[in-house]
Amino acid sequence: KAGVTQTPRYLIKTRGQQVTLSCSPISGHRSVSWYQQTPGQGLQFLFEYFSETQRNKGNFPGRFSGRQFSNSRSEMNVSTLELGDSALYLCASSSQGAGEKLFFGSGTQLSVL
Amino acid sequence: AQSVTQLDSQVPVFEEAPVELRCNYSSSVSVYLFWYVQYPNQGLQLLLKYLSGSTLVKGINGFEAEFNKSQTSFHLRKPSVHISDTAEYFCAVTKSGGSYIPTFGRGTSLIVHP
Repeated sequence: KAGVTQTPRYLIKTRGQQVTLSCSPISGHRSVSWYQQTPGQGLQFLFEYFSETQRNKGNFPGRFSGRQFSNSRSEMNVSTLELGDSALYLCASSSQGAGEKLFFGSGTQLSVL
Repeated sequence: AQSVTQLDSQVPVFEEAPVELRCNYSSSVSVYLFWYVQYPNQGLQLLLKYLSGSTLVKGINGFEAEFNKSQTSFHLRKPSVHISDTAEYFCAVTKSGGSYIPTFGRGTSLIVHP
């Protein structure tokens, strides 16, 4: 089985721009969750999608949004980028969610200049 | 809301020595507990999880953890570490029912010296 694939691997943007990150889950997994990882804040939960519906949301501003397609692929969008958005963005998939093993992608390293 | 505290940000140890990485959690409801490992430039990989049942949980790569409800702890142990165990380790908790919002600890960097 192919693992979780995140693209692109690296991104450099400037303040004010917007960015879209992509995540392809393991085949058959319906839950995709997104995390922001920074040295200062650690791993923080952004949101989770299950069967195209946002099921849970973390404490991030509305500039952070996402969606999930019928094939379970998910995208995360950040609008009006700020310097503090520089981070490693990880996505993870599982078949159901809570209590399940999460399979993580290698992440997208976003740098905002 | 739940929280996770990993008591050590960095743990240096010599190869073949035993190691314990400490994790304490706080929650008003029943929880599921997890340990993940992150190697450089990679995503996280599940080491082990506790859902219910036996409080001693065995995982991959020779790691094990013990759930202690009275002390709200879930410490990770390995009797003999290898250089290849050098990585970042994360403890995580989710509520055992209801909404799925995992909370991660800040991570413990395990550094294994030859």
